[in-house]
Amino acid sequence: QVQLRQSGPGLVESSETLSLTCTVSTDSISNYYWSWIRQSPGKGLEWIGQIFYTGNTDYNPSLKGRATIILDTSKNQFSLKLTSLTVADTAVYYCASCGYSDDYGYFDYWGQGTLVPVSS
Amino acid sequence: DIQMTQSPSSLSASVGDRVTITCRASQNIDDYLNWYQQKPGKAPKLLMFAASYLVSGVSSRFSGSGSGTDFTLTINSLQPEDFATYYCQQSYRTPYTFGLGTKLEI
Repeated sequence: QVQLRQSGPGLVESSETLSLTCTVSTDSISNYYWSWIRQSPGKGLEWIGQIFYTGNTDYNPSLKGRATIILDTSKNQFSLKLTSLTVADTAVYYCASCGYSDDYGYFDYWGQGTLVPVSS
Repeated sequence: DIQMTQSPSSLSASVGDRVTITCRASQNIDDYLNWYQQKPGKAPKLLMFAASYLVSGVSSRFSGSGSGTDFTLTINSLQPEDFATYYCQQSYRTPYTFGLGTKLEI
């Protein structure tokens, strides 16, 4: 059983950078892809990006290069930085593990979610 | 991006009913389709992966089918705890995308 615990600020200003951290309670942080996903009333669930233990990353092009995901295996943590925030980035942000069965990937464990209102 | 379209967007049902939720992909995704259940204030919970494989611990009242572009999630004998919002998600290619959800209400 993997547990993910999120931490980060609850309110950010427009044009600033959002920083969120997800701490993973597993000795196998190297065995998964680790993702960030957000949920807003207007756009539903949106995959932001993922990182593998090798450091390989993949991001949603919709974010136009504003997202960066970093993995710190020594702390069993991965983090998200999202720059140049606007009101449209207001959402609940989730971290999640992406497990695999054969070739099939799925988000099997999720953090508790962090509501991030962006003020103008 | 692969667009995922769910229908209906909301559904009223009663305890004991059988309901079916549909998800359509904008292009072929084989069976790279997952289903999630979300309750208010909680993170989504994985129910099924690869279109028809039930996650361990999830009730056998849930079943999934489909391949290519059309998929269904069926819930037999609805229980009070099943009233929630359901999402489909494709894992065929990145960017991974979700449907907008089906809210199942009493």
